[in-house]
Formats: sequence, C-alpha cells, structure tokens
Amino acid sequence: QVQLVQSGSELKKPGASVKVSCKASGYTFTSYAMNWVRQAPGQGLEWMGWINTNTGNPTYAQGFTGRFVFSLDTSVSTAYLQISSLKAEDTAVYYCARGDILTPYHRYNWFDPWGQGTLVTVSS
Amino acid sequence: DIQMTQSPSSLSASVGDRVTITCRASQGISNYLAWYQQKPGKVPNLLIYAASTLRSGVPSRFSGSGSGTDFTLTISSLQPEDVATYYCQKYNSAPRTFGGGTKVEIK
Repeated sequence: QVQLVQSGSELKKPGASVKVSCKASGYTFTSYAMNWVRQAPGQGLEWMGWINTNTGNPTYAQGFTGRFVFSLDTSVSTAYLQISSLKAEDTAVYYCARGDILTPYHRYNWFDPWGQGTLVTVSS
Repeated sequence: DIQMTQSPSSLSASVGDRVTITCRASQGISNYLAWYQQKPGKVPNLLIYAASTLRSGVPSRFSGSGSGTDFTLTISSLQPEDVATYYCQKYNSAPRTFGGGTKVEIK
C-alpha cells in the first residue's frame, strides 16, 4: 500500500541542526511531489513548501527560507527536511505528505497520504 | 497570497446533530479544495477532495460543497468518533494554504 514512513523523534539544542527523513513506498516516487507541513504544539497545520521529486527543485513557503532545506535521494525513494540553527520556536511535529502528480504532466493534487509525523523538540 | 478562513473555530454539538463548517477563500480557487480530519494526537486524514468528492472509505455522513470562494463541510449526523479538528486547504497553486481549523466537540 502507499505509505510514507518518517524518522523518529529528535531532541536538539538551540543552534544545532536536524534532518528528518520521509521514505515512500507503494508508488513511483518521482511521479508525485512531496510536501512538508509543520504543526507547532496546540496549533494548526502550516504548509512549509514542496519539492519536485522529478527535478529536485524545491519551493519554500514564506517563513521557511534560509534555514530550511528540502532534498531527495531518489535511489531510496526518500525525501529529507533539514533545519539548521534550530530555535525553540522550531519545536513542532513535521509531516511529509504526497501531493501534486508530476508525470506525464503536472496536475494539482490533494495531500494523501501523510507520514506519521516527526516530533522535533528544541530545548537547552 | 490567497487566504483561507474557516468558521467557526470551534463548535459543540450533540450526537445526531447536523454540523456545518465553512471555509472561505480570499480569491477564487475553482474546486481545488480539500478537507482533512485530525483526531487528537493523530495524523491529518483526507476526507474530501475537489470540494465535494468523498474519499473512498469515508462515511457518507460527511459531505462537501462549494466552488470559487465559498465551501462547506457537513456532517449530517454527528457521531462520537467525529470529535476532531477539521481543516480546509487550497491545493491549486503555491502556497497550499490551510484554514485555521475547526475543533468539533460533543455537547
């Protein structure tokens, strides 16, 4: 079945970096875009951006430029989110979610499925 | 950027009640609108896409309607397992903005 499996929870100190992985299975990885969504404690869903798994081209939402990097390893059908210079306000659950259809041509698509989420806690 | 505004932000209703949640886009988005359900401590789950298409396996008491700027999610007969926060989302272009969420509780 189609699923996304994310890496486990992380506890980091301010100023450190973290890399979250999202491994896809059950479909052709490069046929769909991958999105990243943040949910701070007790808050709503915030779209961080997406990466074109065909070209590797990332698009970042406002507020997620500079310290946030999306990357891929298509050989293992995995997308990554790296956050550098971590701050306490980066404490959140981070989700990956499959999105747009990329082949044979680009079509807008809803988010489904979602990964199980990765809790990143930033605390000294 | 297009803003997505949900109302109400929370509601409390009795089992069996009809519940309606609205989502308004600040500009027209055709029918590129999805609804997600997030139960406490769980992953968001797709309910409806293309504004009104029920995802396979979702109970038929859920329905969606609307096009352009105004959309609704209706639960025809609220059940205890429907306690959750519901989010709308536009997906027709970046940014793929979510609404602020509507928390549904049982009275």
